Amino acid sequence: EPEVTQTPSHQVTQMGQEVILRCVPISNHLYFYWYRQILGQKVEFLVSFYNNEISEKSEIFDDQFSVERPDGSNFTLKIRSTKLEDSAMYFCASRDGTSGRMQYFGPGTRLTVL
Amino acid sequence: LAKTTQPISMDSYEGQEVNITCSHNNIATNDYITWYQQFPSQGPRFIIQGYKTKVTNEVASLFIPADRKSSTLSLPRVSLSDTAVYYCLVGDVTGAGSYQLTFGKGTKLSVIP
Repeated sequence: EPEVTQTPSHQVTQMGQEVILRCVPISNHLYFYWYRQILGQKVEFLVSFYNNEISEKSEIFDDQFSVERPDGSNFTLKIRSTKLEDSAMYFCASRDGTSGRMQYFGPGTRLTVL
Repeated sequence: LAKTTQPISMDSYEGQEVNITCSHNNIATNDYITWYQQFPSQGPRFIIQGYKTKVTNEVASLFIPADRKSSTLSLPRVSLSDTAVYYCLVGDVTGAGSYQLTFGKGTKLSVIP
């Protein structure tokens, strides 16, 4: 069964550093998402991406965040200058063009900001 | 998106059937009911989706009464590996749209040996 993959599984960084989280969505999917989950809290939507542009973003997704689909397979989330409060699990998800709420999530990247 | 209410936690013994009910009084005509499962330190996983009456797949059943103001996720004969958080989401699913998922706190199911 095809699956969403994410790298790295765990990233440790110093406050103020830039990080790039990588995702490979399922190959025939058209819509891509990033979510995050701070330890013990709810899964929160960050951004959705379709047709090479952002379609929706949440209040969390401020100017420090950016997304890119640099080629036909990868989907990246960049945090320009990390803060302590960015420490969380970051999940990538993708879906095809049919049912909007059937999304396939990756295993996540645990980001720890020191 | 319709607001949903579900129990914070549930306990069950192995081998029992578990029913988790979700209330969604303000569900709209075009809304579907979708359930996700999340194991610790993993991404949510789609379980089942329905619009009305009953839907069954290899994992679970979803019962939706005629007024659609609630729904019940039924897990037959649970095992320890079903220990997870279960989320009920309500929203439309077809047509153009971003369809970002809005997760609540979910129901933490603990299966006891």
